[in-house]
Amino acid sequence: DAKTTQPTSMDCAEGRAANLPCNHSTISGNEYVYWYRQIHSQGPQYIIHGLKNNETNEMASLIITEDRKSSTLILPHATLRDTAVYYCIVRVPSYGGSQGNLIFGKGTKLSVKP
Amino acid sequence: EAGVVQSPRYKIIEKKQPVAFWCNPISGHNTLYWYLQNLGQGPELLIRYENEEAVDDSQLPKDRFSAERLKGVDSTLKIQPAELGDSAVYLCASSPTGTAEAFFGQGTRLTVV
Repeated sequence: DAKTTQPTSMDCAEGRAANLPCNHSTISGNEYVYWYRQIHSQGPQYIIHGLKNNETNEMASLIITEDRKSSTLILPHATLRDTAVYYCIVRVPSYGGSQGNLIFGKGTKLSVKP
Repeated sequence: EAGVVQSPRYKIIEKKQPVAFWCNPISGHNTLYWYLQNLGQGPELLIRYENEEAVDDSQLPKDRFSAERLKGVDSTLKIQPAELGDSAVYLCASSPTGTAEAFFGQGTRLTVV
């Protein structure tokens, strides 16, 4: 079972920041937070990941609370092409067993509107 | 650099027939995943390989599903016999061992009639 909770859907105006929340209250100390997105009819696409520090790349920023029980993915200037399902996943990078698995929940359907 | 390649993109078969999906991961990627995705749901993991070893196949329905990754590169996923409920998109992904970023193929859409 997925270890994260996300809103089912969100809307965002084009050009505005999209803030997607994720709760992971049972996260353990060695689990990372990952974000993927899936545009219609495509495979999921990696966005960003982090352990406890905030992270930023060319696609997005990831803000993780100090207690690590929740995080927010920020798309600073959303465009229509950012309309997709966004998945928040917690995972231990591990070689063996099930710990290294990427387990997807239902994600948040983000609709960016003109 | 070529991404993860899956074939076929679409497949329609009659129930009780066998079907196979093929995945060519990104060169040098040791980790390979197979996922199943039903409409409106997130991808569900079927099996994960590290090189040629299946390190987690606990979610693979072994009565009808099988997978192999010979030589730790390409992989095939087979269903025999297919059932109506197997209609879904089958996704393959690969990543370098020990890193977070997994790259997904476009998937194979299976329709069982």
